[in-house]
Order: sequence, then structure tokens, then C-alpha cells
Amino acid sequence: GAGVSQSPSNKVTEKGKDVELRCDPISGHTALYWYRQRLGQGLEFLIYFQGNSAPDKSGLPSDRFSAERTGESVSTLTIQRTQQEDSAVYLCASSLGTGGFYEQYFGPGTRLTVT
Amino acid sequence: SQQGEEDPQALSIQEGENATMNCSYKTSINNLQWYRQNSGRGLVHLILIRSNEREKHSGRLRVTLDTSKKSSSLLITASRAADTASYFCATGSGNTPLVFGKGTRLSVIA
Repeated sequence: GAGVSQSPSNKVTEKGKDVELRCDPISGHTALYWYRQRLGQGLEFLIYFQGNSAPDKSGLPSDRFSAERTGESVSTLTIQRTQQEDSAVYLCASSLGTGGFYEQYFGPGTRLTVT
Repeated sequence: SQQGEEDPQALSIQEGENATMNCSYKTSINNLQWYRQNSGRGLVHLILIRSNEREKHSGRLRVTLDTSKKSSSLLITASRAADTASYFCATGSGNTPLVFGKGTRLSVIA
């Protein structure tokens, strides 16, 4: 079956513009995660969704970042008024549930460059 | 905050040699997972080891877990150039999301 897909694969934007990143999880996966990875660094947790529960937004770095998910389907991560420090690869992952017993399936990421 | 810390940060070996990467963590866990990442893109799950397991194998991979020392190791035997990648450990506890370490960059030279 299809894996996790993300779009766009690359996005170059000017400082101050808003961007929207999209993630299509694997069908049936109730949990969805967003991570940020700066060049040569590890994964920085941003937000996760689990079914119809309120999302865990504890990793969002500022109020310029927000994310939505409709049911157990597509999610969008929005960054408003982008800054150069937002340049990174944004990774989305999904899993059958939250918690450490579930393997996460990652998308290929969106590489965001803010000029 | 990141719980897992991989060691070394970077490792360079010759093809055919074994590669060992270590992961240390700070709090109690239910399980620990290892992932691989090529070229800064998506991660791929390699293996999961539960807190009540001490060792697990998958092909050329061998993972150990020592909960008393809060550490795990990933051994890749008979390495190949195609094993060149970054390797991350991720710890799981309860219903909270996995927490990933900063990774070890492995270079296998042909």
C-alpha cells in the first residue's frame, strides 16, 4: 500500500511569507506526527494528533506555527511570517497508535528554505 | 527535550567491518527503537526492542538493551557502502510519542 506522502518536496519562500505543508498519512493510522530537522541535527518534535483527541502542541516553537488534521486523514502544518531560522526539513510520520510500541512510518519530508 | 543520546556522533569504517553505535537515555522506557535515515529525508524503522528483552536480531543487525545502565547498542555486521546513513534511537514510554536522539552518522568506505 501507499506510504506517507508529503508535499511539496521542496519549498523556497521569502522571509515574512506564510507556507503550508501537507502530509497524507497511511490509511488507518490514527496517530500523526510532525517533526523539524535542521541540517545535520536530530528530530525536533513539533506536534502530534491521535484520533479525535486534542493534539499535543507542546513542541511548537512559537505561535507562528500551527497544524490541523481532519479526522484521521490529511494534516497541514502552517508557518506564518516565516523567518530564516525556520529553514529545515519538515518530516511527517504516522503510526497505528501513539506510544512507544508502535513503529512510525515517515514521509520523505519537505525541505523549506526561507530566503 | 531529547532523551536518547547516540554515541559516537560520527563513525567511519571500511566495508566489511562491523559498526557499533550506542544510545543512552535517562528515564524509564517501555521500548526502544532504531531508525535509519538516508540523505536527510524520511526515517525508516529498523528494529524495536522491548524493555523486557536484552537482545534482538534482524539480518545483519543486532540490538542490545541494558535497562540497568539505560543504554542500547546497534551493531551492524559486515558493513556495506549502502549502510552509509544516519542512525537514530528513539525511546518509548507510555502513550507519549517517541523521543528521538540526535543520531550517529555512519560512513562505510568501499
